[in-house]
Amino acid sequence: NAGVTQTPKFQVLKTGQSMTLQCAQDMNHNSMYWYRQDPGMGLRLIYYSASEGTTDKGEVPNGYNVSRLNKREFSLRLESAAPSQTSVYFCASRGGTTGANVLTFGAGSRLTVL
Amino acid sequence: GESVGLHLPTLSVQEGDNSIINCAYSNSASDYFIWYKQESGKGPQFIIDIRSNMDKRQGQRVTVLLNKTVKHLSLQIAATQPGDSAVYFCAEILNAGNMLTFGGGTRLMVKP
Repeated sequence: NAGVTQTPKFQVLKTGQSMTLQCAQDMNHNSMYWYRQDPGMGLRLIYYSASEGTTDKGEVPNGYNVSRLNKREFSLRLESAAPSQTSVYFCASRGGTTGANVLTFGAGSRLTVL
Repeated sequence: GESVGLHLPTLSVQEGDNSIINCAYSNSASDYFIWYKQESGKGPQFIIDIRSNMDKRQGQRVTVLLNKTVKHLSLQIAATQPGDSAVYFCAEILNAGNMLTFGGGTRLMVKP
């Protein structure tokens, strides 16, 4: 039971390049989330998907797009990366019959934009 | 906007002592609170949660206290161990919805 799996773990991009961060969960959770964490800071919500087929903006959605591919997978895309998007990105999922409000996080994807 | 925050950015304690990490929240409508632990290079891990209709909840070596009068949340760790060294975040959920708001984090350092 892997929980929440993110790929890649590390990525370096040049300004203007595009990339997609992948996230998959095997817990049959309905809701999935993308957060970013800047050095010494808390987590800020970028986008979330309350259920398969729906996505909504969080606190800092500008410069990002998301796709809820199916119940398991939720991807985050940077169409034209900027240095301000250098951060650690965390995917999370929520659901289940116990601890329904608790988010389970992946290990993170560290992105550097030069 | 309303947000969750923490009083102390860094807390240093002696191994074996008790630790108290504090959090202030400003949204009186928040009805659910969670404490997360984040070790270096890892994602946040759930520690303990509490609903707004409770004022105390205990887990293994951890206790969360909620004071709704002053909008204050605390995490108490008994007999702190080196493995407790991490950054601790409090988070709140409004109306059991999807907007989980995190505070800025407190780094706990345990001295042997």
